Amino acid sequence: NAGVTQTPKFQVLKTGQSMTLQCAQDMNHNSMYWYRQDPGMGLRLIYYSASEGTTDKGEVPNGYNVSRLNKREFSLRLESAAPSQTSVYFCAARQADTQYFGPGTRLTVL
Amino acid sequence: GQQVMQIPQYQHVQEGEDFTTYCNSSTTLSNIQWYKQRPGGHPVFLIQLVKSGEVKKQKRLTFQFGEAKKNSSLHITATQTTDVGTYFCAGDPYNFNKFYFGSGTKLNVKP
Repeated sequence: NAGVTQTPKFQVLKTGQSMTLQCAQDMNHNSMYWYRQDPGMGLRLIYYSASEGTTDKGEVPNGYNVSRLNKREFSLRLESAAPSQTSVYFCAARQADTQYFGPGTRLTVL
Repeated sequence: GQQVMQIPQYQHVQEGEDFTTYCNSSTTLSNIQWYKQRPGGHPVFLIQLVKSGEVKKQKRLTFQFGEAKKNSSLHITATQTTDVGTYFCAGDPYNFNKFYFGSGTKLNVKP
């Protein structure tokens, strides 16, 4: 039982490149979230999915797209990376009142 | 826009001293959650508060939700070195399960 897994752990991109961050959960939870965390700041919600097949924007959705492929997987895509997207990205899955976070992806955009 | 403010930003205490972090929202919250993040780690859920004036305890940790459901606090009694980390509050103003995080309080405990 791995909980929430994220790949990759680290990534360096050049400005304008695209990539997809992967997230999977084995807890059969309905809701999943993508957050970003910048130094000295709390987590900011990018997108979330209340259930399979549904997604909704959070606080900072610009520059990102998401796919809730099935109940297990929720991916985050950067179509054209920008230096402002350098951050640590956390995926979370929620059931009832508890959010379970993955280990994070540390992304640097040069 | 929705804002959740958290103070202080940093707190350095001697082991055995108490610690408190405060969270304030610009709007009434449906519920509030608290998380702990160790250095280099991911946030770990601690607790959720829902009711006005609610107080919950977990061993040395006491969580409070204000009467107006706009503020909350986390108090740690007799800190230990294992308490080191950053404590975040996260408020849900509309009960849509969209959470707005405070900027966190980083706690350092000197042995």
